[in-house]
Amino acid sequence: DTEVTQTPKHLVMGMTNKKSLKCEQHMGHRAMYWYKQKAKKPPELMFVYSYEKLSINESVPSRFSPECPNSSLLNLHLHALQPEDSALYLCASRLAGRDTQYFGPGTRLTVL
Amino acid sequence: GQQVMQIPQYQHVQEGEDFTTYCNSSTTLSNIQWYKQRPGGHPVFLIQLVKSGEVKKQKRLTFQFGEAKKNSSLHITATQTTDVGTYFCWLFYNQGGKLIFGQGTELSVKP
Repeated sequence: DTEVTQTPKHLVMGMTNKKSLKCEQHMGHRAMYWYKQKAKKPPELMFVYSYEKLSINESVPSRFSPECPNSSLLNLHLHALQPEDSALYLCASRLAGRDTQYFGPGTRLTVL
Repeated sequence: GQQVMQIPQYQHVQEGEDFTTYCNSSTTLSNIQWYKQRPGGHPVFLIQLVKSGEVKKQKRLTFQFGEAKKNSSLHITATQTTDVGTYFCWLFYNQGGKLIFGQGTELSVKP
């Protein structure tokens, strides 16, 4: 199983809503990533978890809150987002010690 | 700080023509990876280059890592319509453990 799954595929939310994005992998990977990608732009790294601990936070606003409940799951909690936060949110995982990243299909988020 | 330049931004070719994208870093890299993202899709890993001067081939794709480990290229021979997409380099820096994607090169292939 070399798959990273993400739910939901699409999400529309208002600026006062609270929602969560979910990412799951069962490859035994111990590093997991959240990226944000705007149209026609490269993915921008948001957060990195290594062995379930947050190791990199690329100065992301606090309205984005990551969580890694266990080695297979990664969540991104969203609260009070702005319309400019609308983007494709990608999750990726990597086997510790090896550098290939496996990306999930992404969640396309629209903030109204 | 580290800066990366990937060129060209866009490339339109006739099917059968060759294509090359270049990724240039201002500072020495630990290693570099290449990804392909189809329209509406997610990035898919193609290759990783680690050694200075390394050259790797995958069928019609040839990847090179510069001797100084500051630049890399991806060359596609005789493009096909299935090659359409955006090609990104992904850079690892030893200093600070920084991870950066290049700006991407969008390839379109006219049949």
